[in-house]
Amino acid sequence: AQTVTQSQPEMSVQEAETVTLSCTYDTSESNYYLFWYKQPPSRQMILVIRQEAYKQQNATENRFSVNFQKAAKSFSLKISDSQLGDTAMYFCAFMKPFRSGNTPLVFGKGTRLSVIA
Amino acid sequence: DAGITQSPRHKVTETGTPVTLRCHQTENHRYMYWYRQDPGHGLRLIHYSYGVKDTDKGEVSDGYSVSRSKTEDFLLTLESATSSQTSVYFCAIKLGRGLNTEAFFGQGTRLTVV
Repeated sequence: AQTVTQSQPEMSVQEAETVTLSCTYDTSESNYYLFWYKQPPSRQMILVIRQEAYKQQNATENRFSVNFQKAAKSFSLKISDSQLGDTAMYFCAFMKPFRSGNTPLVFGKGTRLSVIA
Repeated sequence: DAGITQSPRHKVTETGTPVTLRCHQTENHRYMYWYRQDPGHGLRLIHYSYGVKDTDKGEVSDGYSVSRSKTEDFLLTLESATSSQTSVYFCAIKLGRGLNTEAFFGQGTRLTVV
Protein backbone atom coordinates (compact mmCIF):
# COMPACT_ATOMS: atom_id res chain seq x y z
CA ALA A 1 0.00 0.00 0.00
CA GLN A 2 1.10 3.51 -0.71
CA THR A 3 1.87 5.91 2.12
CA VAL A 4 2.51 9.63 2.12
CA THR A 5 4.39 11.39 4.92
CA GLN A 6 4.48 15.09 5.66
CA SER A 7 6.92 15.60 8.51
CA GLN A 8 6.14 19.26 9.21
CA PRO A 9 2.77 19.69 10.95
CA GLU A 10 3.13 23.48 11.04
CA MET A 11 5.32 26.08 9.38
CA SER A 12 5.44 29.83 9.17
CA VAL A 13 7.06 32.24 6.74
CA GLN A 14 7.38 35.98 6.41
CA GLU A 15 5.50 37.62 3.60
CA ALA A 16 7.57 37.79 0.38
CA GLU A 17 9.94 35.08 1.58
CA THR A 18 10.32 31.55 0.23
CA VAL A 19 9.22 28.40 2.05
CA THR A 20 9.57 24.70 1.26
CA LEU A 21 7.11 22.03 2.41
CA SER A 22 8.36 18.46 2.56
CA CYS A 23 6.69 15.27 1.42
CA THR A 24 7.95 11.73 1.11
CA TYR A 25 6.05 8.71 -0.13
CA ASP A 26 6.42 4.99 -0.43
CA THR A 27 5.37 2.94 -3.45
CA SER A 28 6.47 0.05 -5.60
CA GLU A 29 4.90 1.57 -8.71
CA SER A 30 7.14 2.92 -11.45
CA ASN A 31 4.70 5.50 -12.73
CA TYR A 32 2.26 7.53 -10.67
CA TYR A 33 1.03 11.05 -10.05
CA LEU A 34 1.87 13.37 -7.20
CA PHE A 35 -0.14 16.39 -6.13
CA TRP A 36 -0.14 19.29 -3.75
CA TYR A 37 -3.54 20.51 -2.60
CA LYS A 38 -4.22 23.70 -0.68
CA GLN A 39 -7.06 24.01 1.83
CA PRO A 40 -7.68 27.59 2.97
CA PRO A 41 -10.00 28.38 5.89
CA SER A 42 -12.95 28.17 3.49
CA ARG A 43 -12.34 24.40 3.56
CA GLN A 44 -12.31 24.10 -0.24
CA MET A 45 -9.66 21.72 -1.59
CA ILE A 46 -7.70 23.43 -4.36
CA LEU A 47 -5.19 21.75 -6.64
CA VAL A 48 -1.90 23.65 -6.54
CA ILE A 49 0.39 21.56 -8.70
CA ARG A 50 0.80 18.03 -10.06
CA GLN A 51 3.69 15.91 -11.30
CA GLU A 52 3.83 12.70 -13.28
CA ALA A 53 6.61 10.40 -12.13
CA TYR A 54 7.88 9.76 -15.68
CA LYS A 55 8.45 13.44 -16.22
CA GLN A 56 12.02 14.43 -15.42
CA GLN A 57 11.25 18.12 -15.36
CA ASN A 58 9.93 19.56 -12.13
CA ALA A 59 6.46 21.08 -12.41
CA THR A 60 6.00 24.82 -11.96
CA GLU A 61 2.85 26.92 -11.58
CA ASN A 62 3.59 30.60 -11.13
CA ARG A 63 5.05 31.02 -7.62
CA PHE A 64 4.71 27.30 -6.85
CA SER A 65 7.29 24.73 -7.89
CA VAL A 66 8.22 21.23 -6.85
CA ASN A 67 11.47 19.40 -6.29
CA PHE A 68 10.74 15.84 -7.37
CA GLN A 69 13.40 13.30 -6.46
CA LYS A 70 12.12 9.95 -7.71
CA ALA A 71 14.91 7.80 -6.35
CA ALA A 72 14.54 9.36 -2.92
CA LYS A 73 10.71 9.30 -3.19
CA SER A 74 10.59 12.93 -2.23
CA PHE A 75 8.20 15.61 -3.52
CA SER A 76 8.66 18.99 -1.87
CA LEU A 77 6.70 22.16 -2.62
CA LYS A 78 8.43 25.52 -2.84
CA ILE A 79 6.39 28.68 -2.52
CA SER A 80 8.21 31.81 -3.65
CA ASP A 81 7.28 35.38 -2.75
CA SER A 82 4.83 34.14 -0.10
CA GLN A 83 1.57 36.03 0.16
CA LEU A 84 -0.95 36.30 2.97
CA GLY A 85 -3.40 34.37 0.80
CA ASP A 86 -1.07 31.39 0.86
CA THR A 87 -2.01 30.80 4.50
CA ALA A 88 -3.66 27.37 4.40
CA MET A 89 -3.33 23.69 5.07
CA TYR A 90 -1.27 21.97 2.38
CA PHE A 91 -1.69 18.29 1.55
CA CYS A 92 0.64 16.11 -0.46
CA ALA A 93 -1.12 13.30 -2.30
CA PHE A 94 -0.27 10.23 -4.39
CA MET A 95 -2.26 8.52 -7.13
CA LYS A 96 -1.54 5.39 -9.14
CA PRO A 97 -2.28 5.59 -12.87
CA PHE A 98 -5.60 4.36 -14.24
CA ARG A 99 -4.22 1.11 -15.60
CA SER A 100 -3.37 0.02 -12.06
CA GLY A 101 -7.09 -0.26 -11.24
CA ASN A 102 -8.13 1.23 -7.93
CA THR A 103 -6.70 4.73 -8.06
CA PRO A 104 -7.95 6.93 -5.23
CA LEU A 105 -5.76 9.67 -3.89
CA VAL A 106 -3.71 8.82 -0.81
CA PHE A 107 -3.03 11.88 1.34
CA GLY A 108 -0.44 12.93 3.84
CA LYS A 109 -1.55 14.41 7.14
CA GLY A 110 -0.97 17.95 6.01
CA THR A 111 1.20 20.95 6.83
CA ARG A 112 -0.40 24.10 8.22
CA LEU A 113 1.35 27.11 6.70
CA SER A 114 1.01 30.58 8.15
CA VAL A 115 2.24 33.59 6.21
CA ILE A 116 3.12 36.46 8.54
CA ALA A 117 2.92 40.10 7.51
CA ASP B 1 -15.85 23.33 -14.92
CA ALA B 2 -16.78 20.19 -12.99
CA GLY B 3 -19.99 20.54 -11.00
CA ILE B 4 -20.09 18.70 -7.71
CA THR B 5 -22.50 19.43 -4.90
CA GLN B 6 -22.58 17.98 -1.42
CA SER B 7 -25.65 18.08 0.77
CA PRO B 8 -26.21 18.94 3.48
CA ARG B 9 -23.31 21.30 4.16
CA HIS B 10 -23.75 21.05 7.91
CA LYS B 11 -25.59 18.55 10.07
CA VAL B 12 -25.94 17.82 13.75
CA THR B 13 -27.37 14.46 14.66
CA GLU B 14 -27.79 12.26 17.70
CA THR B 15 -25.85 9.12 18.47
CA GLY B 16 -27.55 6.04 17.08
CA THR B 17 -29.48 7.75 14.30
CA PRO B 18 -28.93 6.99 10.61
CA VAL B 19 -27.48 9.74 8.45
CA THR B 20 -27.13 9.99 4.67
CA LEU B 21 -24.85 12.41 2.91
CA ARG B 22 -25.31 13.08 -0.78
CA CYS B 23 -22.78 13.85 -3.48
CA HIS B 24 -24.13 14.98 -6.84
CA GLN B 25 -22.10 15.56 -10.00
CA THR B 26 -23.31 16.94 -13.32
CA GLU B 27 -20.81 15.57 -15.86
CA ASN B 28 -21.06 11.75 -15.79
CA HIS B 29 -17.63 11.12 -14.31
CA ARG B 30 -17.05 7.46 -13.57
CA TYR B 31 -14.95 7.60 -10.42
CA MET B 32 -16.31 9.09 -7.21
CA TYR B 33 -14.87 9.03 -3.68
CA TRP B 34 -15.84 9.74 -0.10
CA TYR B 35 -13.16 10.97 2.31
CA ARG B 36 -13.26 12.09 5.89
CA GLN B 37 -10.97 14.78 7.26
CA ASP B 38 -9.88 14.84 10.88
CA PRO B 39 -7.17 16.91 12.58
CA GLY B 40 -3.85 15.07 12.54
CA HIS B 41 -5.06 12.50 10.02
CA GLY B 42 -5.39 14.36 6.76
CA LEU B 43 -7.99 12.94 4.40
CA ARG B 44 -8.77 9.24 4.62
CA LEU B 45 -10.70 7.25 2.07
CA ILE B 46 -14.00 5.76 3.25
CA HIS B 47 -15.47 4.25 0.08
CA TYR B 48 -15.19 4.81 -3.62
CA SER B 49 -17.14 3.97 -6.76
CA TYR B 50 -16.01 3.12 -10.26
CA GLY B 51 -19.46 3.00 -11.86
CA VAL B 52 -23.16 2.50 -11.22
CA LYS B 53 -23.57 -0.17 -8.54
CA ASP B 54 -19.77 -0.67 -8.44
CA THR B 55 -18.29 0.33 -5.11
CA ASP B 56 -15.43 -0.72 -2.88
CA LYS B 57 -14.12 -0.09 0.59
CA GLY B 58 -11.40 2.32 1.55
CA GLU B 59 -9.14 2.66 4.55
CA VAL B 60 -11.81 3.61 7.12
CA SER B 61 -15.01 1.96 5.90
CA ASP B 62 -16.29 0.46 9.17
CA GLY B 63 -19.65 1.97 10.13
CA TYR B 64 -20.28 3.37 6.64
CA SER B 65 -22.10 2.14 3.57
CA VAL B 66 -22.49 3.66 0.12
CA SER B 67 -24.76 3.39 -2.86
CA ARG B 68 -24.56 4.54 -6.43
CA SER B 69 -27.76 3.79 -8.35
CA LYS B 70 -27.18 6.61 -10.84
CA THR B 71 -23.97 7.95 -12.33
CA GLU B 72 -24.55 11.40 -10.88
CA ASP B 73 -25.26 10.49 -7.26
CA PHE B 74 -23.02 8.83 -4.67
CA LEU B 75 -24.59 8.45 -1.24
CA LEU B 76 -22.76 7.85 2.02
CA THR B 77 -24.77 6.38 4.89
CA LEU B 78 -23.89 6.14 8.54
CA GLU B 79 -26.14 3.32 9.67
CA SER B 80 -25.99 4.28 13.35
CA ALA B 81 -23.99 7.43 13.95
CA THR B 82 -21.35 7.49 16.68
CA SER B 83 -19.37 10.37 18.15
CA SER B 84 -16.22 9.05 16.44
CA GLN B 85 -17.89 9.83 13.12
CA THR B 86 -17.94 13.54 13.89
CA SER B 87 -15.85 14.84 11.02
CA VAL B 88 -15.76 16.80 7.80
CA TYR B 89 -16.73 14.65 4.85
CA PHE B 90 -15.55 15.33 1.32
CA CYS B 91 -16.78 13.89 -1.91
CA ALA B 92 -14.44 13.90 -4.89
CA ILE B 93 -14.51 12.96 -8.55
CA LYS B 94 -11.61 11.99 -10.77
CA LEU B 95 -11.10 14.26 -13.72
CA GLY B 96 -9.06 13.80 -16.86
CA ARG B 97 -6.45 11.31 -17.91
CA GLY B 98 -2.69 11.33 -18.10
CA LEU B 99 -1.14 14.66 -17.33
CA ASN B 100 -4.56 16.19 -16.76
CA THR B 101 -5.47 13.75 -14.01
CA GLU B 102 -6.69 15.29 -10.79
CA ALA B 103 -9.30 14.85 -8.10
CA PHE B 104 -11.90 17.60 -7.84
CA PHE B 105 -13.57 18.05 -4.47
CA GLY B 106 -16.93 19.15 -3.23
CA GLN B 107 -17.14 21.81 -0.53
CA GLY B 108 -17.44 19.34 2.31
CA THR B 109 -20.08 18.44 4.89
CA ARG B 110 -19.44 19.11 8.55
CA LEU B 111 -21.15 16.39 10.56
CA THR B 112 -21.44 16.56 14.33
CA VAL B 113 -22.72 13.56 16.27
CA VAL B 114 -23.87 14.44 19.80
